[in-house]
Amino acid sequence: DTAVSQTPKYLVTQMGNDKSIKCEQNLGHDTMYWYKQDSKKFLKIMFSYNNKELIINETVPNRFSPKSPDKAHLNLHINSLELGDSAVYFCASSQPGGAGEQYFGPGTRLTVT
Amino acid sequence: GDSVTQMEGPVTLSEEAFLTINCTYTATGYPSLFWYVQYPGEGLQLLLKATKADDKGSNKGFEATYRKETTSFHLEKGSVQVSDSAVYFCALPSAKTSYDKVIFGPGTSLSVIP
Repeated sequence: DTAVSQTPKYLVTQMGNDKSIKCEQNLGHDTMYWYKQDSKKFLKIMFSYNNKELIINETVPNRFSPKSPDKAHLNLHINSLELGDSAVYFCASSQPGGAGEQYFGPGTRLTVT
Repeated sequence: GDSVTQMEGPVTLSEEAFLTINCTYTATGYPSLFWYVQYPGEGLQLLLKATKADDKGSNKGFEATYRKETTSFHLEKGSVQVSDSAVYFCALPSAKTSYDKVIFGPGTSLSVIP
């Protein structure tokens, strides 16, 4: 059973389009995250939700909008895609206060052309 | 603020060589410390952790000791294998956000050649 799953695994799209990435965890965790990993493997946190409530919102363009319909799901919608959005996006989850121990999804590689 | 510094890669070793990846940190209080590993094409996974000073975390032949006096958490393995080729991240939870946010180091890429 996959603990943290993401769809799609690959996403190729053109500049200006809108796209979404979905994430689901079956670990029963309350907290979920979105990270962006660039080509040099640097990992940057974007958002975090605890039981559907936004708790971390880093400096991210407002073209990025997370949505958490329930505590097992955290989706990421991106409007007006730009070339610089090309990266691998990871979803992760953890228990509250246990952020050091996170469980990551397999990633979604987004390529904007 | 809290931060993590790792030795720059890439690191290339021959099989059975000894591995050290240095990690130093700045933190408020004494948080747990973590090493994550990312194999090619995969997400990060927790490799090992230490929850307090002088604790040694270990897993899959890797070890790291929480050194409060030197604020370090260096990763070591006595004999690396080709399958250890991956990117390694040192990490700590940030006290600034009640430990809900993790500060990751920049990652160190390791390549092991036969």
